[in-house]
Amino acid sequence: QQQVKQSPQSLIVQKGGISIINCAYENTAFDYFPWYQQFPGKGPALLIAIRPDVSEKKEGRFTISFNKSAKQFSLHIMDSQPGDSATYFCAAPTTRRGTDKLIFGTGTRLQVFP
Amino acid sequence: DGGITQSPKYLFRKEGQNVTLSCEQNLNHDAMYWYRQDPGQGLRLIYYSQIVNDFQKGDIAEGYSVSREKKESFPLTVTSAQKNPTAFYLCASSLADTTDTQYFGPGTRLTVL
Repeated sequence: QQQVKQSPQSLIVQKGGISIINCAYENTAFDYFPWYQQFPGKGPALLIAIRPDVSEKKEGRFTISFNKSAKQFSLHIMDSQPGDSATYFCAAPTTRRGTDKLIFGTGTRLQVFP
Repeated sequence: DGGITQSPKYLFRKEGQNVTLSCEQNLNHDAMYWYRQDPGQGLRLIYYSQIVNDFQKGDIAEGYSVSREKKESFPLTVTSAQKNPTAFYLCASSLADTTDTQYFGPGTRLTVL
């Protein structure tokens, strides 16, 4: 069964620091790698996603880096803020029974301290 | 005000009872999903539906059932056959394709006593 391995499980960063979360996948149906952000007691929400034509995508303080040969992708949060404290999930598409689906990583709980 | 709603937010049931979790969306999305979230295990797909009157099992469908009689509604029943039903349940919807953004509801926390 396809898995998406996400690390670390938890991360503590000081305000202004860089947060880095890594994911590794086995095989994908196609290149589409989203990251979702979840605050306590809420549902996840799409943060940023990368598609096949680029190896890096930046939106504000958030950057996805994609290494196709290594089957890895990562989320970098620059100038981390206390408001970034949340759980982050990566995801990768897979095909099962002829249907494409997203498989989510196990999540990383980020805490940013002032 | 468009979005996806789940009710109730908290639900308590006795062991052996079936319980149905509600999920409604007014985003006109074709696809809907149910996920289960447990600490340290991420989001695991229970069932999904890409069109009305059709749905497929996800990775952990045993002990659950769904229906999709209307485009906007995708209720999940947790049956007594589910061995460990206490969890946080999330419903999501998307336009259609796997690369379309999934919009999640606020979740229902089910506790079986």
